[in-house]
Amino acid sequence: DAKTTQPNSMESNEEEPVHLPCNHSTISGTDYIHWYRQLPSQGPEYVIHGLTSNVNNRMASLAIAEDRKSSTLILHRATLRDAAVYYCILLGFTGGGNKLTFGTGTQLKVEL
Amino acid sequence: DAGVTQSPTHLIKTRGQQVTLRCSPKSGHDTVSWYQQALGQGPQFIFQYYEEEERQRGNFPDRFSGHQFPNYSSELNVNALLLGDSALYLCASSLTAQANVLTFGAGSRLTVL
Repeated sequence: DAKTTQPNSMESNEEEPVHLPCNHSTISGTDYIHWYRQLPSQGPEYVIHGLTSNVNNRMASLAIAEDRKSSTLILHRATLRDAAVYYCILLGFTGGGNKLTFGTGTQLKVEL
Repeated sequence: DAGVTQSPTHLIKTRGQQVTLRCSPKSGHDTVSWYQQALGQGPQFIFQYYEEEERQRGNFPDRFSGHQFPNYSSELNVNALLLGDSALYLCASSLTAQANVLTFGAGSRLTVL
């Protein structure tokens, strides 16, 4: 399975933008880049995904490097509720089914 | 619309016992996957069920088995429990086995003493 590398932790102030980086130098041409987050005492929650082009949704934006070896999750205005572990995951369809390979993620701390 | 529901939320077992965890997928979803999350770690894929069959499996021993029912709900069974099986067990469902988005439940916290 292709591996992703993320910083262990990051800090942000409320109402400021947050850029969460992810390196995935061994990504294959068919791997989608996914981001999930896990709030305390909850299961992971889907945030956003993309293949080659930058993506936007109501939660965040995903910027994908041209060579696809890195990506950045952008939270435009962090709130206290965004404090969570953010996982960058490469989704391949091995065996015909979806399978998420999680790393240890980035713990995002948001302060007032 | 209920999301993924799991039961029980917490349970305590002793070494050597067996445990069954249950999962009801999100309405309209037909594929269920199970993940194990040890404390401080990311979730690890156990296996996936689609059309009542195990479609793919992660690096887990045969002590871990599962089942999917005609209504798409699923069970995870773990036999001969070890202390190392203590973890949060997460169920995730998706619209199809090839869907890009998974919906996770809140998990079942298993403690093995």
